[in-house]
Amino acid sequence: GESVGLHLPTLSVQEGDNSIINCAYSNSASDYFIWYKQESGKGPQFIIDIRSNMDKRQGQRVTVLLNKTVKHLSLQIAATQPGDSAVYFCAEKEGAQKLVFGQGTRLTINP
Amino acid sequence: DAGITQSPRHKVTETGTPVTLRCHQTENHRYMYWYRQDPGHGLRLIHYSYGVKDTDKGEVSDGYSVSRSKTEDFLLTLESATSSQTSVYFCAISESIVAGEGNSPLHFGNGTRLTVT
Repeated sequence: GESVGLHLPTLSVQEGDNSIINCAYSNSASDYFIWYKQESGKGPQFIIDIRSNMDKRQGQRVTVLLNKTVKHLSLQIAATQPGDSAVYFCAEKEGAQKLVFGQGTRLTINP
Repeated sequence: DAGITQSPRHKVTETGTPVTLRCHQTENHRYMYWYRQDPGHGLRLIHYSYGVKDTDKGEVSDGYSVSRSKTEDFLLTLESATSSQTSVYFCAISESIVAGEGNSPLHFGNGTRLTVT
């Protein structure tokens, strides 16, 4: 997660469209995954989590999909709003007290 | 912000000086963490605590020490600051984050931006 990163992958979407943010994780033994949102000047904010015994989990306007076969995680945001603009990153739990964070994707909402 | 307060929010210090960052929580969570965030890296764990006076090292602990004398407070100290410690420091808390049924997410504070000149 990099709120200060200069070269993050960027996803631009139109307001009202759905957004899909992807994350590849590295450890097939990871059993718990979390998505965070980070706005400029703020700390990461928990969005949704999923355990490895699940393929899908839904929250309010967000859905997380887990594909363990290809070690891929995605976050879907429905009806994207201007307030969704932020850096989004995933984290995988590789062991007790060990979360590994991705570097993030910057989501930009076009009016 | 899950009842987490970090202080100071910004600090500029000179190389070689000691610096202490404070994290205060009102959630009575057992686990507290210090992370740093730098361009080109994800969040990296410095130290964590699993109870009063119980702490352990993370992946980037060199040059840092921590103390937890009360459940609500977790201090991060840079004994002699170096320019490589210029970063944004985040405190996080969780109820539990162990294998099995105890998984719970980390909740973060809003960070301290530290500049070492």
